Amino acid sequence: QVQLAQSGAEVKKPGASVKVSCKASGYTFTSFYLHWVRQAPGQGLEWMGIVNPSAGSTMYAQKFQGRVTMTRDTSTDTVYMELSSLTSEDTAIYYCARTRGVVGVTWGPNFDYWGQGTLVTVSS
Amino acid sequence: EIVLTQSPGTLSLSPGERATLSCRASQSVSSSYLAWYQQKPGQAPRLLIYGASSRATGIPDRFTGSGSGTDFTLTISSLEPEDFAVYYCQQYGSSSYTFGQGTKLEIK
Repeated sequence: QVQLAQSGAEVKKPGASVKVSCKASGYTFTSFYLHWVRQAPGQGLEWMGIVNPSAGSTMYAQKFQGRVTMTRDTSTDTVYMELSSLTSEDTAIYYCARTRGVVGVTWGPNFDYWGQGTLVTVSS
Repeated sequence: EIVLTQSPGTLSLSPGERATLSCRASQSVSSSYLAWYQQKPGQAPRLLIYGASSRATGIPDRFTGSGSGTDFTLTISSLEPEDFAVYYCQQYGSSSYTFGQGTKLEIK
């Protein structure tokens, strides 16, 4: 069965960086796009960007450009999201999620599988 | 960027009642690209409806999605205790994804 297993909770100080991982299993890693979506406490969902697991190419939401880096490792079927220059407003649960688009053709319009989420707390 | 506005913010109903949740877009959305999710406390969102009206795998038929253009609706025909949660609509377009702010469905 499809699973997206994320790394554990993180506590960071303002100005630091955080790197969260998401290991995929149960399907062919390079066949489906993976995304990062975050949710601040008590708030809604915010799309951050997309990774093409096959080519390694990425696209980020404008809000996060310059501060986020998404990568993948095809040897371990894992994608990573690194966010730098953290502030308290980055305190959130970070989810990886999959879309069923055809890699190289279309991203896919909806998220069919989600990781369990990783809580990132930014506090001095 | 397309903005999705959900209403009401909170809906208080009893089990067995019918729930109607609304999602309005700031500009027209392709029906193929509109989805609904359910989120329970401490859990990741779960895909309920895709393509505005198609139920995802394993979703009971009491959940129905409808609408087109800028107005979309999620209807739960007869509420079960496990349906009380937060619901989000989501659209895809112009190389971006956006979500509504959510509707909390609570037990009256």
